[in-house]
Amino acid sequence: DAKTTQPPSMDCAEGRAANLPCNHSTISGNEYVYWYRQIHSQGPQYIIHGLKNNETNEMASLIITEDRKSSTLILPHATLRDTAVYYCIVRVDRNDYKLSFGAGTTVTVRA
Amino acid sequence: GAGVSQSPSNKVTEKGKDVELRCDPISGHTALYWYRQSLGQGLEFLIYFQGNSAPDKSGLPSDRFSAERTGGSVSTLTIQRTQQEDSAVYLCASSLLSREQYFGPGTRLTVT
Repeated sequence: DAKTTQPPSMDCAEGRAANLPCNHSTISGNEYVYWYRQIHSQGPQYIIHGLKNNETNEMASLIITEDRKSSTLILPHATLRDTAVYYCIVRVDRNDYKLSFGAGTTVTVRA
Repeated sequence: GAGVSQSPSNKVTEKGKDVELRCDPISGHTALYWYRQSLGQGLEFLIYFQGNSAPDKSGLPSDRFSAERTGGSVSTLTIQRTQQEDSAVYLCASSLLSREQYFGPGTRLTVT
C-alpha cells in the first residue's frame, strides 16, 4: 500500500513483545488503519484495525499516535507461530474494499 | 466459529481445461471477495459480491473468468480454457458489509 511505510524485516525473541511500526503520514480523517498478516502458504489473516483510539483484541494491540501519522502493532508475547509478513494498510471503511498490500514487514520470531 | 472454507485446496489441470473453485463464506457475512496471489506477488482483486447488488467484476482479467454467488452464500469461480498464466493461489474472503475481510486458506491452481 503506497500510503504506508513499514520496515522490510525485523526479528523478535520468542516470549517477548514485538512492536511493529507503520508510517501513514498522509492518512485522511476518514481512513482506518488495518493490520493483516500472512503466514507462509496461508491466506491473509485480519489482526486488528482502528481509527484514532488505541485498540486491543485477543491477538494484538494497536497504538495510533495522536496526529494519526503513525501507528504500532504490538504482539504482546510473540511465539514461533507469529512468524509471518505483517501488512499495515489504510482504507476508508465500507467503500474501499479492494485490498492491496505493500511489501509489509517480515517478522521472524526466534526461539 | 467456522471460518471461510475453500475447495479444493490444490488443483492441477491441463492447459485448455475448465476449472471451478468453491468458496463457503462465514455464515451471515454479506460480502464475498475473490483475489488471486501469484508466487511472491501481492493480492490481485478479482470480484466482489455484496448482498443483492450487482457484483463488481472490474478485476477479472479476461472473459475466461466468471463467478457467481448462489443464495447469497456459496460462491464459485470458474476459469474456462485455462492458461499457464492462470497458475496462482486463488483466495476467497468474506466480511460483514465491507468491513474487515476474513480469508480462506486458498486454492492453489497449477496449469500444466
